[in-house]
Amino acid sequence: QQPVQSPQAVILREGEDAVINCSSSKALYSVHWYRQKHGEAPVFLMILLKGGEQMRHEKISASFNEKKQQSSLYLTASQLSYSGTYFCGTEFGGGADGLTFGKGTHLIIQP
Amino acid sequence: DAGVIQSPRHEVTEMGQEVTLRCKPISGHNSLFWYRQTMMRGLELLIYFNNNVPIDDSGMPEDRFSAKMPNASFSTLKIQPSEPRDSAVYFCASSLGDRLTLLTYEQYFGPGTRLTVT
Repeated sequence: QQPVQSPQAVILREGEDAVINCSSSKALYSVHWYRQKHGEAPVFLMILLKGGEQMRHEKISASFNEKKQQSSLYLTASQLSYSGTYFCGTEFGGGADGLTFGKGTHLIIQP
Repeated sequence: DAGVIQSPRHEVTEMGQEVTLRCKPISGHNSLFWYRQTMMRGLELLIYFNNNVPIDDSGMPEDRFSAKMPNASFSTLKIQPSEPRDSAVYFCASSLGDRLTLLTYEQYFGPGTRLTVT
């Protein structure tokens, strides 16, 4: 039931765009996106809810395709501060279920 | 708000010893989660509580692991006896999520406890 994230790693130049995908084999109630920097705790980015709209956080946006059980995170005009590991966390039942996280996507932004 | 507070931040212990990790959630949050992170297994959900009641402990790896939430502002995760394979970073997270309304909210993670069992 662990969601599958792709790609596993991405190296970008500052200003380039990236897309990170998250796929589940089980129907989803919501998808949560987090970013974790080395040695730190995961930090919340956004939630995509079943039936909800596409979300945006600064130059980062995300979509949720319920039928395909997939979510994508879009990083536009990447900044050095975007470097880190991105995790999608899936929720199946709603109402504060614990999250099942993917293995993460390592994003490196070079100047 | 101080955020989620975990203690200790680092713990080094010998195999066979008892280890207790502590967590104070954000005030007003009614859901609390314990996760474990390792290079091999990634970020795993161990157990979570809603209104101090354990909801799902299916992620707890063995009977050596136990968790309690005696009140809304405190939770513990205990490992007894500890083994080298328990070495990991243990995160506690809290949220406003409500199982009655099915409303879901973001989870706020504490800084983690880095456990090393030798």
